[in-house]
Amino acid sequence: QQQVKQSPQSLIVQKGGISIINCAYENTAFDYFPWYQQFPGKGPALLIAIRPDVSEKKEGRFTISFNKSAKQFSLHIMDSQPGDSATYFCAASIGYKLSFGAGTTVTVRA
Amino acid sequence: GAGVSQSPSNKVTEKGKDVELRCDPISGHTALYWYRQSLGQGLEFLIYFQGNSAPDKSGLPSDRFSAERTGGSVSTLTIQRTQQEDSAVYLCASSRGQSSGNTIYFGEGSWLTVV
Repeated sequence: QQQVKQSPQSLIVQKGGISIINCAYENTAFDYFPWYQQFPGKGPALLIAIRPDVSEKKEGRFTISFNKSAKQFSLHIMDSQPGDSATYFCAASIGYKLSFGAGTTVTVRA
Repeated sequence: GAGVSQSPSNKVTEKGKDVELRCDPISGHTALYWYRQSLGQGLEFLIYFQGNSAPDKSGLPSDRFSAERTGGSVSTLTIQRTQQEDSAVYLCASSRGQSSGNTIYFGEGSWLTVV
């Protein structure tokens, strides 16, 4: 049973557009919510992360929005670039254990 | 090296054979993890090491899977009597500590194909 549900499975966005990926969780014990970016043939790499006591975190063109009451969080990629084309995974953790969403493949068209 | 190193990067094996996958974590990282990624799927937790001990083996899918870590460093994941459903990318990761918020660094994975 997947503890973190992620959508959409894939999305296509034009260069300069906004990509939005949504995740939902059930376990209120989760205390850390990272997003990972994975390029083909590479391992996932930490992109940005948030704790549940914060509603938004921004790093450059990447923003996490967190809604604790709805148990949902999302990643916004502003001004999407072709180099952002990758698979993005949301995750949630309790201590050492990360539970991952199924991933979203983002394609940015020039 | 600076990152998590895994070998082999690719392995093709015949059904029924045993395979060993190796992971060399980032120096100084006490926590080590193995995950499995099947085509188009998310990452599935297999096992967690703190030092040389494995307090959480709950993700190992069957008794054909085992892992060990020696010297608080290198880890080996062994799959005995491989089956076609074992085909996947096996990712190793490490972190400085075990608590939430410690960045987990992944290797590039070992791509296993069972024919």
